[in-house]
Amino acid sequence: AQSVAQPEDQVNVAEGNPLTVKCTYSVSGNPYLFWYVQYPNRGLQFLLKYITGDNLVKGSYGFEAEFNKSQTSFHLKKPSALVSDSALYFCAVRDNYGGSQGNLIFGKGTKLSVKP
Amino acid sequence: DAGITQSPRYKITETGRQVTLMCHQTWSHSYMFWYRQDLGHGLRLIYYSAAADITDKGEVPDGYVVSRSKTENFPLTLESATRSQTSVYFCASSLSGGTTGELFFGEGSRLTVL
Repeated sequence: AQSVAQPEDQVNVAEGNPLTVKCTYSVSGNPYLFWYVQYPNRGLQFLLKYITGDNLVKGSYGFEAEFNKSQTSFHLKKPSALVSDSALYFCAVRDNYGGSQGNLIFGKGTKLSVKP
Repeated sequence: DAGITQSPRYKITETGRQVTLMCHQTWSHSYMFWYRQDLGHGLRLIYYSAAADITDKGEVPDGYVVSRSKTENFPLTLESATRSQTSVYFCASSLSGGTTGELFFGEGSRLTVL
């Protein structure tokens, strides 16, 4: 079965430090990978995606993600965290099977807390 | 304003009642989705629609009904609400599904079933 795992429920980082939010995936066929962010009481917002090409993908708000095929990972990174980055982050992979028309399968989310 | 809107944002109902959550988008996106968000489960797909009059089940469709008579609207109905349907419901739309395009989410509808 296709799936995505976010091994950390919460990540704590000091402002100004680099941050990493981990994601691993299991999918048949080519992986189409996504990161979304959710601020409190809001809907999810798209951050970035990997479809093909360069393994380092740059997205919104200074975030980037590194695709690693051998490790089946797609970790989200940012060189210098801001307090305003505190939110819930979701990794997602496209469902390549069935009639779900490319539905996204989401991880359970990782809460990022950035302290001043 | 353009975008995707959900209503109501908050709803409290009783077991056995019918509830309809509304979703409206102004982008003329072909694809629309309903997800529910629960602690420990992330987002799970309830139903999706690839175009008007085309709908299909997702991962957790039991107890829900959808329709899509117009491209811009995708209502979700709980025919007889149960406590297990207490959740936050998100509607999303996309130009090309999850294939290469991103999903655009509404603000969510928080439903409590007593």
